[in-house]
Amino acid sequence: AQKVTQAQTEISVVEKEDVTLDCVYETRDTTYYLFWYKQPPSGELVFLIRRNSFDEQNEISGRYSWNFQKSTSSFNFTITASQVVDSAVYFCALSEEGLDYGNNRLAFGKGNQVVVIP
Amino acid sequence: DTGVSQDPRHKITKRGQNVTFRCDPISEHNRLYWYRQTLGQGPEFLTYFQNEAQLEKSRLLSDRFSAERPKGSFSTLEIQRTEQGDSAMYLCASSLAGYENTNYGYTFGSGTRLTVV
Repeated sequence: AQKVTQAQTEISVVEKEDVTLDCVYETRDTTYYLFWYKQPPSGELVFLIRRNSFDEQNEISGRYSWNFQKSTSSFNFTITASQVVDSAVYFCALSEEGLDYGNNRLAFGKGNQVVVIP
Repeated sequence: DTGVSQDPRHKITKRGQNVTFRCDPISEHNRLYWYRQTLGQGPEFLTYFQNEAQLEKSRLLSDRFSAERPKGSFSTLEIQRTEQGDSAMYLCASSLAGYENTNYGYTFGSGTRLTVV
């Protein structure tokens, strides 16, 4: 079964500081996908980044970067030079690719509330 | 295309009443998912459709819940005899089958927030 754990609940940072969100996952599949989503107060989930299980290369996309380590089943996410507009709930999610390429449902963690203080 | 639309945005109902929510996906998306999100938790999968066929239902979906997607376009989620434990945000998402795990991924709606009093 899929499981995603986000340990921290609320994280407060002062504007321009970096913030790192931790994510640990569990899966029996060898092929899987990891995501980070942002949920602003308006409610919709906004896709941020995606990584598949056979590519551990860490990348930077603008102010976002991620650290994917299969050895520790972790997929951590960093916002560099945080801004007030980054205040939101951030979810880590896992999708397994079944043999029949069927339901690619997402399993979400509990989320991290990020508060950026001006 | 304006993305995934959900209606209503908010619904307050008395315990025991029936409620129905609507989701309009992106027009070219053939898959439609329903998730439920309770306060302080991440979204949890409820059910999904490919075109008009409901292919999977979570054990979270009790007999009081029913979902339809009659013409493979919009979907409705009905809750009968609502209970206080049904209070949650109900999120709809759509996708192109097989592309969920790409950067095109899912597109989520803004959700319907249900409060049962």
